[in-house]
Amino acid sequence: AQTVTQSQPEMSVQEAETVTLSCTYDTSESDYYLFWYKQPPSRQMILVIRQEAYKQQNATENRFSVNFQKAAKSFSLKISDSQLGDAAMYFCAYRSVQGAQKLVFGQGTRLTINP
Amino acid sequence: GAVVSQHPSRVICKSGTSVKIECRSLDFQATTMFWYRQFPKQSLMLMATSNEGSKATYEQGVEKDKFLINHASLTLSTLTVTSAHPEDSSFYICSARTGEVGYQPQHFGDGTRLSIL
Repeated sequence: AQTVTQSQPEMSVQEAETVTLSCTYDTSESDYYLFWYKQPPSRQMILVIRQEAYKQQNATENRFSVNFQKAAKSFSLKISDSQLGDAAMYFCAYRSVQGAQKLVFGQGTRLTINP
Repeated sequence: GAVVSQHPSRVICKSGTSVKIECRSLDFQATTMFWYRQFPKQSLMLMATSNEGSKATYEQGVEKDKFLINHASLTLSTLTVTSAHPEDSSFYICSARTGEVGYQPQHFGDGTRLSIL
């Protein structure tokens, strides 16, 4: 079974600065998807970014980018120019490309933005 | 974009009551729906996966008779918490996706906060 580990329960960053959230995972599959989700206090799940394992190029979405290291099974999220609205729980997630394609979530990292 | 509507958003009821939560895909056909449970300050834990017209597949440790899942149509899945007790109090979230080939995103509902007194 796949597992996802986020070793940082909490992180904080000054507004406008850059922060990196860590995620590692374990799988025997060669093809899969990785995601970062944001969950603000409203508890709505918001997709931040997606990475396909077969792609070597790191995904980017505006101020959000990932560092995908397939061999190391590492998938970190970098948030540039942090904004107050970025404050939330961030979950790393794994999804197989076969079968039910269910999401496996990490424990989450609570990100605080200091004004 | 694709919308998943979850209802009710909050429910408070007495111990022993059965509670039904609905998850609807408003503008797409949801071949597969997922039900998650989230305790305060914890991650989402998958409870079960349901495919339209077939029985749900429950994750290990989830009681099938306690958490009844029905996915009778391509736009509606329901989770019924039977004879709910205070330990069932939690945040329940559904998600849905189509069965089309290739990458299809999971669309999440806004969740249901269940409080059992």
